[in-house]
Amino acid sequence: GAGVSQSPSNKVTEKGKDVELRCDPISGHTALYWYRQSLGQGLEFLIYFQGNSAPDKSGLPSDRFSAERTGGSVSTLTIQRTQQEDSAVYLCASRLTSGGAGEQFFGPGTRLTVL
Amino acid sequence: GEDVEQSLFLSVREGDSSVINCTYTDSSSTYLYWYKQEPGAGLQLLTYIFSNMDMKQDQRLTVLLNKKDKHLSLRIADTQTGDSAIYFCAVALGGATNKLIFGTGTLLAVQP
Repeated sequence: GAGVSQSPSNKVTEKGKDVELRCDPISGHTALYWYRQSLGQGLEFLIYFQGNSAPDKSGLPSDRFSAERTGGSVSTLTIQRTQQEDSAVYLCASRLTSGGAGEQFFGPGTRLTVL
Repeated sequence: GEDVEQSLFLSVREGDSSVINCTYTDSSSTYLYWYKQEPGAGLQLLTYIFSNMDMKQDQRLTVLLNKKDKHLSLRIADTQTGDSAIYFCAVALGGATNKLIFGTGTLLAVQP
C-alpha cells in the first residue's frame, strides 16, 4: 500500500516481557517519527530518525525504550521489561524530508496492552 | 517545554459552525497543524498554517492564528455529522527535528 503501515495492530503482553513494534514508512520518506498516545499523557513524541543522522531520542521515557531504523526504511521500537504504564497506542509517522511544512503521515498505530 | 492546550469537548448542531480553540506557549513555533482522529482510525492532517500568516481558508475550514496571544483556532463551517471526531492542534518546534507537540484533543460531537 501507499501509506505508513504498522504491525502488529494489537499486542497484549504480560508485565516484564519485551515487545517489538514495527513501522514501515512510505517509500522514499527520509524522516520517521514515533509517538505514543495514552489516556493520561495525550500524544507524546518519542524518537525521530532522519536519513543516516543520529536519531533524536529526547522523548523516550526511560532506558527500557529503544528504537532502530535499518537501511533508512523500516523501524522497530523495542520496549524491554514492559510495565502497565507502557499501555498505549504507539504511532509511527513518516515525512518526505525534515524541513518545511511537509505533512507527517501517520500509520494506524499499534495498541499495546500490558497486563 | 512547549505546552499546547485545548478544551476537551464541543457539541454543536448539524449545519452550525464549530470553533475549536488551541493555545500554545512557545513563540518560536514555525508551523501549526490541525489533525483529525476518527474512532479507531489514525491521525489525518486537515490543514496547517505557517507562523507568519494570520488566516488560512480551505473549503469549509478556516484557521486563525493570533501570534501575540499564542492562540490558534479552527472553524468548521456547516458542520456535518461526519465531522464528529477528536481534533488535535499540533505545533512544530522547527529545528532539525520538526517534531510535533500535540494538544490534548477536542472531542467534537455533532448533533443531528
